[in-house]
Amino acid sequence: QQQVKQSPQSLIVQKGGISIINCAYENTAFDYFPWYQQFPGKGPALLIAIRPDVSEKKEGRFTISFNKSAKQFSLHIMDSQPGDSATYFCAARSKDTGNQFYFGTGTSLTVIP
Amino acid sequence: DTGVSQNPRHKITKRGQNVTFRCDPISEHNRLYWYRQTLGQGPEFLTYFQNEAQLEKSRLLSDRFSAERPKGSFSTLEIQRTEQGDSAMYLCASSPNLNTEAFFGQGTRLTVV
Repeated sequence: QQQVKQSPQSLIVQKGGISIINCAYENTAFDYFPWYQQFPGKGPALLIAIRPDVSEKKEGRFTISFNKSAKQFSLHIMDSQPGDSATYFCAARSKDTGNQFYFGTGTSLTVIP
Repeated sequence: DTGVSQNPRHKITKRGQNVTFRCDPISEHNRLYWYRQTLGQGPEFLTYFQNEAQLEKSRLLSDRFSAERPKGSFSTLEIQRTEQGDSAMYLCASSPNLNTEAFFGQGTRLTVV
């Protein structure tokens, strides 16, 4: 059973546009939600993360929006650039298990020049 | 380089052979994780160490898999009697404590032929 559901599977955006990736979860014990960026042949790199006591977090062009009641969170990439083309994973960690990150299935983002 | 280091980066082995991977975490990170990632999927949790103690193991970690972290620093992941289904990217991550993000290495890509 997929603990974190991610959509869309792939996304094509024009340069300068906004990329939006969505994730949903059911486990109310999740208390930490990071987003990772992964380029082919590389390990995931932490992009930005949020805790459920905050509804939004912004770092540069990247923003996480968090809706605790709906158990949904999303990544917004403003002014998308070709260099942002990568696979993005949302993840969640449970305070019950404490140590295991559950990852979404990934979104392949392509930014067209 | 002060990031998580994994060796080797690539490993091709024949079915039935044993393989061992090494992970050097970020200095002074007492938490170390192993994940497995297959093509088109997000990373899946395998096991977790706090210092030298292995505290969690996934059901994915069959009897053919063993992980160690003998001195609480580097870790090794051994797969015995490899099968074609073991072909994947094996990722190591580390974090300084429970309430912080995990940093991933570049991974070891295993191909079993």
